[in-house]
Amino acid sequence: AQSVTQPDIHITVSEGASLELRCNYSYGATPYLFWYVQSPGQGLQLLLKYFSGDTLVQGIKGFEAEFKRSQSSFNLRKPSVHWSDAAEYFCAVGVREYGNKLVFGAGTILRVKS
Amino acid sequence: DVKVTQSSRYLVKRTGEKVFLECVQDMDHENMFWYRQDPGLGLRLIYFSYDVKMKEKGDIPEGYSVSREKKERFSLILESASTNQTSMYLCASRASGGTGGGYTFGSGTRLTVV
Repeated sequence: AQSVTQPDIHITVSEGASLELRCNYSYGATPYLFWYVQSPGQGLQLLLKYFSGDTLVQGIKGFEAEFKRSQSSFNLRKPSVHWSDAAEYFCAVGVREYGNKLVFGAGTILRVKS
Repeated sequence: DVKVTQSSRYLVKRTGEKVFLECVQDMDHENMFWYRQDPGLGLRLIYFSYDVKMKEKGDIPEGYSVSREKKERFSLILESASTNQTSMYLCASRASGGTGGGYTFGSGTRLTVV
């Protein structure tokens, strides 16, 4: 069955420091991969997505992610974190067989220290 | 601006009540989804619909049903609410075809069953 693992439940970084959020997936076919962000009390906003082609994907708000097939990973990165990046981040894989439903990881809560 | 609207932001219901959560999208999307979000579990798919009057069970359908009489509206029904259904419920929609992207999420309904 398809699954997504986000190993870190909470991460705390200092403002201006670099960030990497980990994501590993399990899916039999070539995956469609997504990162979403959820600020408190808000819905989910798409940060970036990978379908095919270049394995380094650029997203909004200065985020990027790298697809590594050999490691079944799709880690999210940002070179310099801002206080406004504090939120919960979800990695997801799209499952074609079910209307392209999304299977989500458990989420990583990012705290930013000033 | 395209959107997915969930009728209630917060809802408090009593155990045993029949509860309706409503979701409306204005994008003429064929596919609509209901997810449940719980801390440490991420988002889990309850039901989805790929067309009017069509529905498919997701990963956790027990205790829920859905209705899609019109393309723009997808209702989640808790037949007899229980305290373990206290959660955040998120609706999403997307167009058919393509590569699995293009999801739009609503802001969520936080349901408390007492």
